[in-house]
Amino acid sequence: DIMLTQSPATLSVTPGESISLSCRASQSISTNLHWYQQKPNESPRVLIKYASQTISGIPSRFSGSGSGTDFTLNINRVEPEDFSVYYCQQSNSWPLTFGSGTKLEIK
Amino acid sequence: QVQLQQSGAELVKPGSSVKISCKASGYTFTSYDMHWIKQQPGNGLEWIGWIYPGNGNTKYNQKFNGKATLTADKSSSTAYMQLSSLTSEDSAVYFCARGGTYYPYWGQGVMVTVSS
Repeated sequence: DIMLTQSPATLSVTPGESISLSCRASQSISTNLHWYQQKPNESPRVLIKYASQTISGIPSRFSGSGSGTDFTLNINRVEPEDFSVYYCQQSNSWPLTFGSGTKLEIK
Repeated sequence: QVQLQQSGAELVKPGSSVKISCKASGYTFTSYDMHWIKQQPGNGLEWIGWIYPGNGNTKYNQKFNGKATLTADKSSSTAYMQLSSLTSEDSAVYFCARGGTYYPYWGQGVMVTVSS
């Protein structure tokens, strides 16, 4: 199975800061990597598909980059509604796997 | 608009089975895989498997072989997941999500609690 390692586990920031979240794959997955946001008691919401492709309806402050084994989710100027947990997911090979998540919290 | 409406929360006894549902609307049910994903309290997400309602084909995460059984009823556009021989490790929220490679559409989740 492909393991996805997300870092940091928790990130404490002030609204308005710009941040980067990391997702590292245990083997190359090309750009078959997707990012989700999950708020408490809600279903995950996809933010970015295929490492860097935008999703309709997602604010432009969210962007993604990377290929191979190293991926980054960037949030430009964090808004109060962005404080939640972020997961990456790979679709390169079965079984599909998710990272363990990064919790973005208010400093 | 695409909607996935899941059944309600379940409280079940250890050793029993439970069957949860996911009713799809707003798209052609038989044209997309339906995936199932597990989330234990405070934990991350774990892919269980998928079913293609068009022909009933399934694929499972090996970890869930023998634990989860996926079926689909084309007449009601509803996907089902049965979980058997339940233990405390099966207590979790279970989501359905329309596949394929990533998930733009999710059900609201079903909390399954295994307790005597």
